[in-house]
Amino acid sequence: DAGVIQSPRHEVTEMGQEVTLRCKPISGHNSLFWYRQTMMRGLELLIYFNNNVPIDDSGMPEDRFSAKMPNASFSTLKIQPSEPRDSAVYFCASSFRSQETQYFGPGTRLLVL
Amino acid sequence: DAKTTQPPSMDCAEGRAANLPCNHSTISGNEYVYWYRQIHSQGPQYIIHGLKNNETNEMASLIITEDRKSSTLILPHATLRDTAVYYCIVLSALGSQGNLIFGKGTKLSVKP
Repeated sequence: DAGVIQSPRHEVTEMGQEVTLRCKPISGHNSLFWYRQTMMRGLELLIYFNNNVPIDDSGMPEDRFSAKMPNASFSTLKIQPSEPRDSAVYFCASSFRSQETQYFGPGTRLLVL
Repeated sequence: DAKTTQPPSMDCAEGRAANLPCNHSTISGNEYVYWYRQIHSQGPQYIIHGLKNNETNEMASLIITEDRKSSTLILPHATLRDTAVYYCIVLSALGSQGNLIFGKGTKLSVKP
């Protein structure tokens, strides 16, 4: 199994630009999670989906962030417009069910100048 | 807030056992203890989890006290590649809430 796949692995953009992060979960997994990691706040959950439906988006910072899961094999996290404080590593994880072991992707390192 | 308490850092000699403690004194009966680790610049990696009984897999052993208020992760023969931040996490088995709450973890340094 290829594991959770994320793209791009690195992204450098300028403030105000739209950023789209992509995630392909492990085949057969029904839950997908987006996390953000910074030095100041550590690893924190942004949003998670069960069977493609958003269940808890209370961690999404503000309206500039949006996430979609159009099908079981693909999810996006979009930031529009991006700001320097959005610079972080964004991880996607998936699990068979939400209460079960989560497997993380390699992350996307985002730098907003 | 994380429901666990871990020492911020530990050292271990290569080839020796690494014993990482975790306190979770407010754990409830339906909550599992999960361990993840994060090697520098990589995504968190699942290690092991347990409810009441001790568990062992190819990576580690998990010892949970009888009152379930604390646990210890054991890496039996630590290698340099085990240098990482280790997170102890309590996760409910009920309902739909599946998010992991990561604390600061223990930074384990394995030294030659």
